[in-house]
Amino acid sequence: EVQLVQSEAEVKKPGESLKISCKGSGYSFPNYWIGWVRQMPGKGLEWMGIISPGDSVIRYSPSFRGQVTISADKSISTAYLQWSSLKASDTAMYYCARHLTTVMALDMWGQGTLVTVSS
Amino acid sequence: QSALTQPASVSGSPRQSITISCTGTSSDVGGYNSVSWYQHHPGKAPKLMIYEVSNRPSGVSNRFSGSKSGNTASLTISGLRAEDEADYYCSSYTISSTLGYVFGTGTKVTVL
Repeated sequence: EVQLVQSEAEVKKPGESLKISCKGSGYSFPNYWIGWVRQMPGKGLEWMGIISPGDSVIRYSPSFRGQVTISADKSISTAYLQWSSLKASDTAMYYCARHLTTVMALDMWGQGTLVTVSS
Repeated sequence: QSALTQPASVSGSPRQSITISCTGTSSDVGGYNSVSWYQHHPGKAPKLMIYEVSNRPSGVSNRFSGSKSGNTASLTISGLRAEDEADYYCSSYTISSTLGYVFGTGTKVTVL
């Protein structure tokens, strides 16, 4: 079964760092791009960036470049999203999803990781 | 890159048909057949419903169909059911962003 399993919810303070994960299974992880999507409370979906785990090529949305870092470790079939200094405005649900480049769509999604940043 | 424009809400009675629009520009929706649609029930992972404007993934009901005319793509849900009540998002390839993709603003579908 193809699935993406994300790390558990996190509660952090402003200024702290954080790295959340997305582990793929049931398919050849290096061969499919992984996208990260943000959903702030009561808001819509936003593309953050996308990574090719096979060669770590990364593309960021202009809105998120410099704000987060996307990475992947193909040896353990895991992609990551990290922050060096969280802000309250980073409070959101974060989803990873497998991207099919042939049809330019996200065909399999993780369950989401809720990040809460509060003092 | 601004989000693609969708109506905030659309409603319909059971067994009726509804259509959700997704308006962009020639740099995204109008220029490429790379529009996809996602269904999102609160608290669950989004689900791909349509890709490449009008193609349904395996397992998606044929009550869901997609089309495009000019800079506007549309998702039609026929034979509306209670379980169709959810948020729906379009997404398109775009040349206006270094990322290459943009979501729509999202539409809340209510089954009356």
